[in-house]
Amino acid sequence: AQSVTQLGSHVSVSEGALVLLRCNYSSSVPPYLFWYVQYPNQGLQLLLKYTTGATLVKGINGFEAEFKKSETSFHLTKPSAHMSDAAEYFCAVSDTGNQFYFGTGTSLTVIP
Amino acid sequence: DSGVTQTPKHLITATGQRVTLRCSPRSGDLSVYWYQQSLDQGLQFLIQYYNGEERAKGNILERFSAQQFPDLHSELNLSSLELGDSALYFCASSVGLRAIDEQYFGPGTRLTVT
Repeated sequence: AQSVTQLGSHVSVSEGALVLLRCNYSSSVPPYLFWYVQYPNQGLQLLLKYTTGATLVKGINGFEAEFKKSETSFHLTKPSAHMSDAAEYFCAVSDTGNQFYFGTGTSLTVIP
Repeated sequence: DSGVTQTPKHLITATGQRVTLRCSPRSGDLSVYWYQQSLDQGLQFLIQYYNGEERAKGNILERFSAQQFPDLHSELNLSSLELGDSALYFCASSVGLRAIDEQYFGPGTRLTVT
């Protein structure tokens, strides 16, 4: 079975600072990797995904993530945090069998 | 607004009871996924249906079942409810059946078992 580890259940950054949310996965086969954002009282929204090809993936709202196979990582970054980025972020992995595995989530706080 | 609707928004019921959660996918989407989000177990994939057929099964308990109807709406049935079944249940829909097809999530149904 695959698993996803998100380091840091809570991350605080100042407005304008770099956002770095960490995600490591275990997979015996090349996975599909996803980052989702969840705002309070809402469902999840896809930020970005990696399937094949270019390892640096750009998503919505200025976020990007880099797939590093050697490190089994898929960290999420944004150069400059905005107040509206405050939310819960989930990393997820899927295989070709459509099984999805989610990390435990990272709550991002943006300090004005 | 993702275009995915879920009813009811909130449900409070007692242990041992049975409930049905309903999901209407976005127009044109053929896949429906069900997820459970709880404090204890986090976010878990339960099951996927595509055009009426079960496609993938995750951590779905035997007490739970789902189906997708010809009009593509889906229902998740939870029976013999236990306190630990209290959670937020999301459905998501996508146009295709592949894992890489973008999923659009509904607002969720919050189930409280007392």
